[in-house]
Amino acid sequence: EVQLVESGGGLVQPGASLKLSCVASGFTFSDYWMSWVRQTPGKTMEWIGDIKYDGSYTNYAPSLKNRFTISRDNAKSTLYLQMSNVRSEDTATYYCTKFAYWGQGTLVTVSS
Amino acid sequence: DIVMTQGALPNPVPSGESASITCQSSKSLLHSNGKTYLNWYLQRPGQSPQLLIYWMSTRASGVSDRFSGSGSGTDFTLKISSVEAEDVGVYYCQQFLEYPRTFGGGTKLELK
Repeated sequence: EVQLVESGGGLVQPGASLKLSCVASGFTFSDYWMSWVRQTPGKTMEWIGDIKYDGSYTNYAPSLKNRFTISRDNAKSTLYLQMSNVRSEDTATYYCTKFAYWGQGTLVTVSS
Repeated sequence: DIVMTQGALPNPVPSGESASITCQSSKSLLHSNGKTYLNWYLQRPGQSPQLLIYWMSTRASGVSDRFSGSGSGTDFTLKISSVEAEDVGVYYCQQFLEYPRTFGGGTKLELK
């Protein structure tokens, strides 16, 4: 059974950095592109970016490219999202996805 | 970016009736390979999104045949025949033809 389990969310102050993790199981992680998507409190879905199966290539939403970095550790079957200089508008639930499969999400709240 | 625009439903929908959700893209999602790069998701209350349809009309594994997708290159419809209680939630369309991937704003289905 495919499972994606995100962690690392919480309350963070504006301007801080935060790293989210997503541990995958139930499939060969190193064979698949993986993505991050976020959902705002108003339920808007925003695609953040994705990463090639070997970690050699990434794509990002242009508005987030300068502050967010996606990486992976195939030996640990783990996907990461490094967020820097966070803003109030980054408040959202963050999901890692493998096409048809989504994790349960981790909530990030940016507030002073 | 490709803009995805979803229509609203005349809620609530009577149980057992059919419902059609529309989605329009600002650019054709028809690839030269003949496939149309459109997904449909359902997010039930309190849950992560679930993939229903990909390639515009292909049902994902385990999805009820009450769900069907159709359309052209820019206008799409998700039809739900005989709406049931488990169909309640918000439906999203998403294009995966180009980067950045983009979602529609969501269409809420409520049951009468």
